[in-house]
Amino acid sequence: AQTVTQSQPEMSVQEAETVTLSCTYDTSENNYYLFWYKQPPSRQMILVIRQEAYKQQNATENRFSVNFQKAAKSFSLKISDSQLGDTAMYFCAFMKHGDSGYALNFGKGTSLLVTP
Amino acid sequence: DAGVTQSPTHLIKTRGQQVTLRCSPKSGHDTVSWYQQALGQGPQFIFQYYEEEERQRGNFPDRFSGHQFPNYSSELNVNALLLGDSALYLCASSLGGGAAGPLSYEQYFGPGTRLTVT
Repeated sequence: AQTVTQSQPEMSVQEAETVTLSCTYDTSENNYYLFWYKQPPSRQMILVIRQEAYKQQNATENRFSVNFQKAAKSFSLKISDSQLGDTAMYFCAFMKHGDSGYALNFGKGTSLLVTP
Repeated sequence: DAGVTQSPTHLIKTRGQQVTLRCSPKSGHDTVSWYQQALGQGPQFIFQYYEEEERQRGNFPDRFSGHQFPNYSSELNVNALLLGDSALYLCASSLGGGAAGPLSYEQYFGPGTRLTVT
């Protein structure tokens, strides 16, 4: 079974600053995908960024980027130029690649507060 | 382009009752997954439906069952409700083919159904 650990229950950052959210995972699989999802108070889960394990290059989506360290099983999310609208719960998720289905395995989340 | 929709938004049931939650996937998607999110926790995978069959199941009891219809919409049924079943139930849709690569596995979530069991 895969486990996803987010060690920071809460974080705070000032507007326009940069913040990094941590995520580690445990798996014996070699092929898998990693995701960061954002869940604002409206509770709609939104995909922020994804990373394929076979790719060495770190994924980037505008102000969001990841630091993927496969050997260390680490997948952190960096948010640059933080905006008030980034305030939300952030979940790290793991998906095993296989033909038996594609379930997301989530961490417990990090609550991010962006302050003016 | 309609996203994932779920109904109802909120639901209050009494312990021992049965409940049915509904989900319509994003246009073009054929796979539906259900997740349970307890307060303050990350979502937990319940099961996934593809081609009207349960393709994968998480660690949930048989009281949780589901169905997928020919139009790809899905229902989640929970029997003999317990207080611990109170949670936000999320539906996610995706493409189940697999040949297109990682993008096929991107799951789009609905707004959820808040179930309260009293």
